[in-house]
Formats: sequence, structure tokens, C-alpha cells
Amino acid sequence: EDKVVQSPLSLVVHEGDTVTLNCSYEVTNFRSLLWYKQEKKAPTFLFMLTSSGIEKKSGRLSSILDKKELFSILNITATQTGDSAIYLCAALTGNQFYFGTGTSLTVIP
Amino acid sequence: SQTIHQWPATLVQPVGSPLSLECTVEGTSNPNLYWYRQAAGRGLQLLFYSVGIGQISSEVPQNLSASRPQDRQFILSSKKLLLSDSGFYLCAWSRDRYSGKGYTFGSGTRLTVV
Repeated sequence: EDKVVQSPLSLVVHEGDTVTLNCSYEVTNFRSLLWYKQEKKAPTFLFMLTSSGIEKKSGRLSSILDKKELFSILNITATQTGDSAIYLCAALTGNQFYFGTGTSLTVIP
Repeated sequence: SQTIHQWPATLVQPVGSPLSLECTVEGTSNPNLYWYRQAAGRGLQLLFYSVGIGQISSEVPQNLSASRPQDRQFILSSKKLLLSDSGFYLCAWSRDRYSGKGYTFGSGTRLTVV
């Protein structure tokens, strides 16, 4: 059965902390791994990772994929209260996206 | 530019009542369209996807159905809602299954069945 597992399920940190969110996947015909940030409504796209070992960065966020060990991490440095959200990862296969349950991040001032 | 509209934003319906959620996409043609549901504390679950008018694929058996009467219109329906249908419903579109940004999501509908 295809599945995507994220950990931790929830996380509470203080502003300025660095966090690492994990995403492991077991899917057939894997093509890419995507990260989304979901605040109150629709998820917004963060990263799409296709190749192993190549870090993608956007400001304080970065992500990397390990296709051998079948996981990806999302790092957020110097967290801010605006980073509070659910972070979803999704594995794109030949047919569809499989989403994880998400990690709920709360950043306390 | 492409935009996706989904309505209503919130809905409270009694058990046994019908449901109709609508999603439209502008600025593109022949999009792939999707309905997802996010139950509390869970990830996004794919309900239906459509690659063209009248072409609907169902991923999860349930009392919901979907239709695509026009190229850029996708409708999620139910004849009789159950309590377990409560959740956050998201419509999404993609140019193809492998588009670089994955899906573009609508703003979602929060459905509460009482």
C-alpha cells in the first residue's frame, strides 16, 4: 500500500528556533516529493524535489530529498510566528499525489 | 493567469440532506481537476479526479459523487449526507499530473454535518 508518513505530528517551538520536519514515503512509481504549507485554508506550494541530495532553498526554508532512504526533510531556521501552520508533504507517483497527515507547527513569541 | 474558485466557504447541513459543492477554474483549458477531503487531524485524501469532461475517477468508495459538466467546472455531490462527511473539502487543478508546482488549490469548503 502506498503511504506517506510525516513526523512529528505536532511541534511547538519558540521564535528563533530551528525546526526539522520529516517525511518518509513508500510509493510505487515515485516521481517527485512536494512540500506545502497550509494555514487556515488552502495549501500553498513550497518545494518540489525530484533529485536526491540537491537542497532547495527559499529564504529561511530549505528541503532535501534522499531517494535511497525514501525520505525528505524540511528545515526552517530562525522561526517566526508566521511560520505557524500545517506542513504537508506529498509523493507524486505515476498516477497521483499521496499526502501525509501533516505536521502542525506552532511558533510561540 | 489561472485562478480557481470554490464555494461555498462554509456549510452546515443536516444529516440526510443533499450536497453540492462547486469548483471552477479560469485562465486555462483542459485542466486536471481533483476533489480532496481533509478530516480533522488527517492528511489530504483524494476523493475524485478528472482528466476531461465527463471523465471521473473515484479513489475512495463512499456516498459522494462528482461530475464535470464543463471543461473548467467540477462538482462534488451527495444525495444524503452522513455525519462522517464532515470535513474540509478542497478542489485543485493541475495542468498535467507532473506539473512543477503540483496542484493549485481552491480556498476550500468547511462542511459540518449535524
